Amino acid sequence: GIQVEQSPPDLILQEGANSTLRCNFSDSVNNLQWFHQNPWGQLINLFYIPSGTKQNGRLSATTVATERYSLLYISSSQTTDSGVYFCAVPSIYSGGYNKLIFGAGTRLAVHP
Amino acid sequence: ETGVTQTPRHLVMGMTNKKSLKCEQHLGHNAMYWYKQSAKKPLELMFVYSLEERVENNSVPSRFSPECPNSSHLFLHLHTLQPEDSALYLCASSQGQGGNEKLFFGSGTQLSVL
Repeated sequence: GIQVEQSPPDLILQEGANSTLRCNFSDSVNNLQWFHQNPWGQLINLFYIPSGTKQNGRLSATTVATERYSLLYISSSQTTDSGVYFCAVPSIYSGGYNKLIFGAGTRLAVHP
Repeated sequence: ETGVTQTPRHLVMGMTNKKSLKCEQHLGHNAMYWYKQSAKKPLELMFVYSLEERVENNSVPSRFSPECPNSSHLFLHLHTLQPEDSALYLCASSQGQGGNEKLFFGSGTQLSVL
């Protein structure tokens, strides 16, 4: 099945710093989703981005499907950005069902 | 607020107990999911329901029993669990079923099995 790798696994930032998170996937995909899980466990869908670039406030994401990677940019980081960032791509089940495969995540800690 | 509500937020149960997790979505979606998140592991898909029919059971032990009475509600009935079943259980929903739909998650139930 498709493999999803995220880097770095852990990241520590000072408030105000910028960062780039990476998601590599092993096979062609027709969409990719980025999620943020806050310290209380809530998962928020940040981006649905099959290709190109999208921006949402201080966050933006770029997917280059032909090269099998996506990047999540966080600018002017805030303590509320802390948590785990996951990317997920679809994969065909053996039964023909299409499901999302999640990466292991990047754990981000932003310090004041 | 994602439009997906889970209760309870925390649950502690003994191995002989029977309990249920509840999920409700207010987004008008047709598909609902149960995921398990254990420490140091990626999210694992457990069950998928589309239009109230189960379309996927990802080799989950029978001590976990899902129920989907309508497209807005999803339950996970738990009985005779093991300590290794302790994890965060997340409910999600999407407009259609499958990996090409945008997924919305609830806040999760943190389960501890003693």
